[in-house]
Amino acid sequence: DTTVKQNPRYKLARVGKPVNLICSQTMNHDTMYWYQKKPNQAPKLLLFYYDKILNREADTFEKFQSSRPNNSFCSLYIGSAGLEYSAMYLCASSRGLGYEQYFGPGTRLTVL
Amino acid sequence: GDSVTQTEGPVTVSESESLIINCTYSATSIAYPNLFWYVRYPGEGLQLLLKVITAGQKGSSRGFEATYNKETTSFHLQKASVQESDSAVYYCALAGSFNKLTFGAGTRLAVCP
Repeated sequence: DTTVKQNPRYKLARVGKPVNLICSQTMNHDTMYWYQKKPNQAPKLLLFYYDKILNREADTFEKFQSSRPNNSFCSLYIGSAGLEYSAMYLCASSRGLGYEQYFGPGTRLTVL
Repeated sequence: GDSVTQTEGPVTVSESESLIINCTYSATSIAYPNLFWYVRYPGEGLQLLLKVITAGQKGSSRGFEATYNKETTSFHLQKASVQESDSAVYYCALAGSFNKLTFGAGTRLAVCP
C-alpha cells in the first residue's frame, strides 16, 4: 500500500483563525513533506520531517509549523490564516532521502 | 536556488499524434539531481510517471520517455502517440539537497479524440 492520506480534503477557514491539516501514511516512511500549490504555480516545499527533525524552508519559516507525534502522522499548522494561505496543500512521504516521494490527494484550503 | 522551467500550457493535441513537453532545469544545491516527471490526472493526486537518476539515461513509463541530458540541462517528455486518457497536468521536477523537490509550473495536456 503506497497510500498517503490527507484530512480534510477541503477546509474553509476565517482570516485570523488557526488551521490544522493532517497527513498520514502506513508505509513506515521516515521522511514526510508539505508542499503548497497555488493555481498556475509550481508546488512549493514548505517544510519536511526527516525522522523527528523538522526542517522549514527559509522563506516560510515563520508562517507554518508542524508536528510529527509518530512515524505515521504529520500535521501542518497555521496559527493565524490570511487570505494568501488559500491554496492546495500536498503531503508526501518517502522512505528516506533520495527515494521517491509519494503524494496524498491534497487538502484545498480556502481562507475567507 | 534550484529551478525548473517547462512548456507553458495548455497544450492541445489530437489522439494518436506525437507529443513533446519541454523541461529545462538549473540545479545549484546538488551537482547531479535526480529528475522526475509527475502527473496529475483529473480528480487524483500527484503520481510519479517516470524518473531518471543517472545523466545520459532514459526513463520510460506508459509509453512516455524522457532522457536526462546534463549538457543541455534538459529532461523533455515525449510520447509517440497520445491517447485521450493521457489528458492530465504534467510536472517536471528535480530532487535537490535533502531530496527536496523543485517543480516546474506544470503543463496541462488536453488530448482530443
